Amino acid sequence: AQSVSQHNHHVILSEAASLELGCNYSYGGTVNLFWYVQYPGQHLQLLLKYFSGDPLVKGIKGFEAEFIKSKFSFNLRKPSVQWSDTAEYFCAVNPYSSASKIIFGSGTRLSIRP
Amino acid sequence: EAEVAQSPRYKITEKSQAVAFWCDPISGHATLYWYRQILGQGPELLVQFQDESVVDDSQLPKDRFSAERLKGVDSTLKIQPAELGDSAMYLCASSIPDRANTEAFFGQGTRLTVV
Repeated sequence: AQSVSQHNHHVILSEAASLELGCNYSYGGTVNLFWYVQYPGQHLQLLLKYFSGDPLVKGIKGFEAEFIKSKFSFNLRKPSVQWSDTAEYFCAVNPYSSASKIIFGSGTRLSIRP
Repeated sequence: EAEVAQSPRYKITEKSQAVAFWCDPISGHATLYWYRQILGQGPELLVQFQDESVVDDSQLPKDRFSAERLKGVDSTLKIQPAELGDSAMYLCASSIPDRANTEAFFGQGTRLTVV
């Protein structure tokens, strides 16, 4: 079955630390990839997306993600986090063959110490 | 900026009662999704519409859940009867049905508490 794995359930960092959140998916065909963010009390928002082309994707608020096809991974990174990055982060996959179906991972809660 | 509208924002209901949620997608978005998000977990797809047709309802508990999108625009998700385990956030999202642009836009959600 198609699935998305986020191995870090809760990450705690200090401000200015670097961030990397892991995401792996299980699907062998062509995929679209997404990272969504959910700030406390707010709805899910798109952080960045990969459809094709350069595997290093830049998103909003200084986030970026790298698609490594051979590893079925799409890890999220930020060189220096801020307190305002405290949120829940979800990786999601849309397999090309699944008529726009978007499958989400279980999420990673990021807590930033001021 | 166009948004996905959902109502109500919060709903408390007693178990065995019926409950319904409403969603109005972004204008022009033919694909509409209903997701359920249990606290501490990622969104789980319940049902996906393409215009008025159901594309995927494999994870919808059909003995108690139903969803419709009669005119291919707004949609209603119903639970009857509600059970304690149905307490969750119910999210609606919409997108353009284009393989090169399947980004889903989410509404604020309806938080359901079954007591």
